[in-house]
Amino acid sequence: QQPVQSPQAVILREGEDAVINCSSSKALYSVHWYRQKHGEAPVFLMILLKGGEQKGHEKISASFNEKKQQSSLYLTASQLSYSGTYFCGTDPGRGFGNEKLTFGTGTRLTIIP
Amino acid sequence: DGGITQSPKYLFRKEGQNVTLSCEQNLNHDAMYWYRQDPGQGLRLIYYSQIVNDFQKGDIAEGYSVSREKKESFPLTVTSAQKNPTAFYLCASKGIGPDTEAFFGQGTRLTVV
Repeated sequence: QQPVQSPQAVILREGEDAVINCSSSKALYSVHWYRQKHGEAPVFLMILLKGGEQKGHEKISASFNEKKQQSSLYLTASQLSYSGTYFCGTDPGRGFGNEKLTFGTGTRLTIIP
Repeated sequence: DGGITQSPKYLFRKEGQNVTLSCEQNLNHDAMYWYRQDPGQGLRLIYYSQIVNDFQKGDIAEGYSVSREKKESFPLTVTSAQKNPTAFYLCASKGIGPDTEAFFGQGTRLTVV
């Protein structure tokens, strides 16, 4: 089952902040975040691991609540280049047989000047 | 340069015909994935493979088939049994482990008429 993202869409003025949420019904080992521009391939932003380790983008931050199986992506002082659709991806854990990377429903972010 | 290549970018087929989408990667990744993207539904997992000659069904595998004869290649066949095949298809690859990022191809837009 896909993770659920909220909001589905948001429009911001340049410089405003946004929070995108991702919620899963299954236990998670890690959460991935990607951004997709229209007609292009999704691009990696960051990974959050169980235990608090993070890997990824310098100007974007995120949180991962393992107990609630939720993650949030924080976009501060948004720039026009932040426009696109954001996806969270969930990974069930380590070991062979656990490479099922499932993505969420997406959040469409539009930044206006 | 290392990367993941999908071909063709656009594909048109008549209803009732099988069609195969190509996905090749030279990143030496063990895991490969196929996703279907429809407006408002995010990225839905069709099939994934963690090792040569092995693959698992994703969440929407009905009407699709795959093979993994080589580490570099993971072709997807959309069969005539798929009731609504018109969509944007994305292929991805990643290393083993929840802390490794996925790389996506540029996608294939399939239109069945």
